[in-house]
Amino acid sequence: KAGVTQTPRYLIKTRGQQVTLSCSPISGHRSVSWYQQTPGQGLQFLFEYFSETQRNKGNFPGRFSGRQFSNSRSEMNVSTLELGDSALYLCASSAWPTDYGYTFGSGTRLTVV
Amino acid sequence: GNSVTQMEGPVTLSEEAFLTINCTYTATGYPSLFWYVQYPGEGLQLLLKATKADDKGSNKGFEATYRKETTSFHLEKGSVQVSDSAVYFCALAVSRKTSYDKVIFGPGTSLSVIP
Repeated sequence: KAGVTQTPRYLIKTRGQQVTLSCSPISGHRSVSWYQQTPGQGLQFLFEYFSETQRNKGNFPGRFSGRQFSNSRSEMNVSTLELGDSALYLCASSAWPTDYGYTFGSGTRLTVV
Repeated sequence: GNSVTQMEGPVTLSEEAFLTINCTYTATGYPSLFWYVQYPGEGLQLLLKATKADDKGSNKGFEATYRKETTSFHLEKGSVQVSDSAVYFCALAVSRKTSYDKVIFGPGTSLSVIP
């Protein structure tokens, strides 16, 4: 079956702009989580959605937001981009509650210049 | 709160050497434990998991045993290959009947295997 698909794979944006990243989970998975990965901070949890509801949120500023659609696809948005937002953004889906294991997408590499 | 501690490395081994990457955790409730691997330029892949005490997860020659008494989940492989070079993440998820905490990841351990 198809894996987790993240689009786009690469993005270059200018400070102050906004960006939207997309994630399509594995068919049947209703839980989608987002992580930011940087060399200095490692994997940091952004938020998690289940059945269109945000279930958990990490410690990121309000510029970071997300949503989930009825087909379980998810988007995250970052407004007013800063240089420090440059990172690999990873989406993961799971079959919770029957299975807690994540399947990750390949990520979106965001570079803010 | 829930947390995961693992050796950060980098770890450099010769091919066919024995690998151990230590992972310990702190958790309330009954966590499930995971090891993920990230190859260069890719997302994370689930390597193995264990959902209760004394369970042993295994995959691709890697093993880890859920030790509740020592709150540990150390990753081992008897003979590493160059293709095992990657970053390894230990993780936990605490489940409850009607809700669960987010998955907590350790900082990752970089492994380089040289021929």
